[in-house]
Amino acid sequence: RKEVEQDPGPFNVPEGATVAFNCTYSNSASQSFFWYRQDCRKEPKLLMSVYSSGNEDGRFTAQLNRASQYISLLIRDSKLSDSATYLCVVRTSGTYKYIFGTGTRLKVLA
Amino acid sequence: EAGVTQFPSHSVIEKGQTVTLRCDPISGHDNLYWYRRVMGKEIKFLLHFVKESKQDESGMPNNRFLAERTGGTYSTLKVQPAELEDSGVYFCASSQDTGTIYEQYFGPGTRLTVT
Repeated sequence: RKEVEQDPGPFNVPEGATVAFNCTYSNSASQSFFWYRQDCRKEPKLLMSVYSSGNEDGRFTAQLNRASQYISLLIRDSKLSDSATYLCVVRTSGTYKYIFGTGTRLKVLA
Repeated sequence: EAGVTQFPSHSVIEKGQTVTLRCDPISGHDNLYWYRRVMGKEIKFLLHFVKESKQDESGMPNNRFLAERTGGTYSTLKVQPAELEDSGVYFCASSQDTGTIYEQYFGPGTRLTVT
């Protein structure tokens, strides 16, 4: 079983739609959680860190459920420019290394 | 502020040859990481430097890979001799320790093809 699991998609949604991605992690010692965005043949770019209380940044909302060991990302009012792969990333307590999911592909359609 | 830079952006070499990848972290970032993505797989951790010291080498696949960070600034990752399975995208990242979150910032990657 992978340490970080994501539905690879693709998720094809119309502009203006709301879309949600989930990610599960297996290590209960995981301490830090992130969503990164990766465009085709580019580097991962930090979208947002995920805090225990949940956090929002404009159209993006991230939630953490430690009891069930999952993280979610909600994108409201999808734009064409949101089309990308969204990477769920986890860091375990006592280490600095990131554990990546395989990513979820989103395509926003006009 | 300049981001993480990597050189070269692409490299095509033959099996058995040597390749050296370079990473320049964001200025002032003591932490430097190497990751790799092979085709069809997730990005995987290779190693972590704090300044010039190797903090975690647990992801290095074998002794054909050698990473250095002399002086605690830029880092190099040498693959010698290269094998076909070494093909992939090698990302470098850097971070500061400003709390407990440890957000990492990635460079554009080096796409390595071993033929």
